[in-house]
Amino acid sequence: DAKTTQPPSMDCAEGRAANLPCNHSTISGNEYVYWYRQIHSQGPQYIIHGLKNNETNEMASLIITEDRKSSTLILPHATLRDTAVYYCIVRGGLNDYKLSFGAGTTVTVRA
Amino acid sequence: DTGVSQDPRHKITKRGQNVTFRCDPISEHNRLYWYRQTLGQGPEFLTYFQNEAQLEKSRLLSDRFSAERPKGSFSTLEIQRTEQGDSAMYLCASSWGQGSLSEAFFGQGTRLTVV
Repeated sequence: DAKTTQPPSMDCAEGRAANLPCNHSTISGNEYVYWYRQIHSQGPQYIIHGLKNNETNEMASLIITEDRKSSTLILPHATLRDTAVYYCIVRGGLNDYKLSFGAGTTVTVRA
Repeated sequence: DTGVSQDPRHKITKRGQNVTFRCDPISEHNRLYWYRQTLGQGPEFLTYFQNEAQLEKSRLLSDRFSAERPKGSFSTLEIQRTEQGDSAMYLCASSWGQGSLSEAFFGQGTRLTVV
């Protein structure tokens, strides 16, 4: 019962920015947007999370729209090692310990 | 390495056999989770421990599955009388927090193949 919608796949050129969209139109006021990624044959890796303000860390930037119904994960300079499945997850409320993964977006970075 | 450790990484078993997986969380993390992931799907939540207490079990966790976390440290997931449908990647994760949101760190997973 994932609360997010993501495109199934996208390609990106190495060295260019990758913009990954996510729709979460039913998000509640106390729910956060989390992003994880999963490189082939590894466990998911935390990237970033946010509530309503834009966030940036060493891996990525997260842009959340003012109405909070959608967000974009930005990988500023994609490398081949960024090829992975990216999951956008809405998390919070009573079950804030749980991550509900959808199918994610398979991002392929091409040289 | 101080990350989440899972053992074994791969397990092949015959249908009907019992298997047990181990997860060692990041030291001092009080929350521990098990997830299952089948090919082409995102991970699905199975169960959650806060310290040694198992606080939630998904309906995906049938009677053949049991998880423990003695003394609130490592955890084991046992599957009895394995079926081919149990073939999947079993992921363990841990985090620190009591009600506050905190990022979960995942292990590399145990890939189970039931033949």
